[in-house]
Amino acid sequence: DIQMTQSPSTLSASVGDRVTITCRASQSVGGWLAWYQQKPGKAPKLLIYEASTLQIGVPSRFSGSGSGTDFTLTISNVQPDDFATYYCQQYNSYSTFGQGTKVDIQ
Amino acid sequence: QVHLVQSGAEVMRPGASVKVSCKASGYTFSRYGISWVRQAPGQGLEWMGWISGYNENTHHAQKFQGRVSVTTDTSTNTVYMELRSLRSEDTAVYYCARDRVDGTYNLDYWGQGTLVTVSS
Repeated sequence: DIQMTQSPSTLSASVGDRVTITCRASQSVGGWLAWYQQKPGKAPKLLIYEASTLQIGVPSRFSGSGSGTDFTLTISNVQPDDFATYYCQQYNSYSTFGQGTKVDIQ
Repeated sequence: QVHLVQSGAEVMRPGASVKVSCKASGYTFSRYGISWVRQAPGQGLEWMGWISGYNENTHHAQKFQGRVSVTTDTSTNTVYMELRSLRSEDTAVYYCARDRVDGTYNLDYWGQGTLVTVSS
């Protein structure tokens, strides 16, 4: 199984900050990497797929990059609605999620 | 609009089986697969398995091989996930979710989740 490791596990940010979350795969997943946002008590929401393609309706302050084993999610100009937990997901070989990164208010 | 509506919460005894349903609407059922993902309390997301809406092929995470079955009823556009030999560690919210593109496990629409509690 492909293991996905996110860092950090938690990060504190203020409104307006630029935030970067990293996801590393235990072997290459090509560009088959997605990012999801989850708020407490809710289902995850797809933000980005194929490493860098924004899902319809997702604000442009979200961006993704990377390929192979190393990926990043960046939120520029963090807004109050962005405080949530973020997960990466590889879907190159079946599917595996990272352990999550909680973005909370500083 | 795409909707995935799941069955209600369940409380099960250890060793029992649970079957959760996921009724799809708002799209052509046969064109998209459905995955099951679970989330234990306070924990992350765990992909369990998938079924094709086209030909009912299934794939499962190795961890659940032999213990999980995913089936469909195409007459009602409903997907079922059965988990057998339940143990306390199976207490979780179980989600169904649709492939953004059939067969990719990249998930664009999610059900509301079903809490399964395993307790003696």
